[in-house]
Amino acid sequence: GAVVSQHPSWVICKSGTSVKIECRSLDFQATTMFWYRQFPKQSLMLMATSNEGSKATYEQGVEKDKFLINHASLTLSTLTVTSAHPEDSSFYICSAFPGTSGFTDTQYFGPGTRLTVL
Amino acid sequence: RKEVEQDPGPFNVPEGATVAFNCTYSNSASQSFFWYRQDCRKEPKLLMSVYSSGNEDGRFTAQLNRASQYISLLIRDSKLSDSATYLCVVNPDRGSTLGRLYFGRGTQLTVWP
Repeated sequence: GAVVSQHPSWVICKSGTSVKIECRSLDFQATTMFWYRQFPKQSLMLMATSNEGSKATYEQGVEKDKFLINHASLTLSTLTVTSAHPEDSSFYICSAFPGTSGFTDTQYFGPGTRLTVL
Repeated sequence: RKEVEQDPGPFNVPEGATVAFNCTYSNSASQSFFWYRQDCRKEPKLLMSVYSSGNEDGRFTAQLNRASQYISLLIRDSKLSDSATYLCVVNPDRGSTLGRLYFGRGTQLTVWP
């Protein structure tokens, strides 16, 4: 089946630094990828829709200058948490689906990246 | 108001029990509905889609009531391996071309021997 990877799987950084998280579709091309964030005992919250070759679409309340998204190719989207602070500590998960049809039943999730900001 | 509301539980049931989860969604224009399963510190995995006519997959049955904006999941003959958090998920976009998903908070299930 389709595989989505994320790197790194776990990162600890100091407050004020920037952290880049990569999301790759390993055996399929993905025009669109999605980024989610999940705090402990909370729901996954959709942060943004990442579109290959164009600007990301952010959900209401998500700071686009804080969470930079780049979707440079059909197999790679990156999320950069700029000037990270302890409140940004969370589980970041990406998802993607094969092709361009938007058929959500076949959306595949990455294994997630656990970010801890000290 | 949240897009998707779920009772977080926890539900603690013995093996073999039948357990039911439900959720409500706020956007009446939502078109696609799903149940996902998430194990601790893992990514969510699709359990099943939910259709208006209801659908069944082995021990799992999902129902959708559009009039009440209510979705349910029934698990029969619970197994130890069913222990997980069950997420009610809604695609709010008409036509499903955008692929966005809104997740409920999840209902935690523990099946004990």
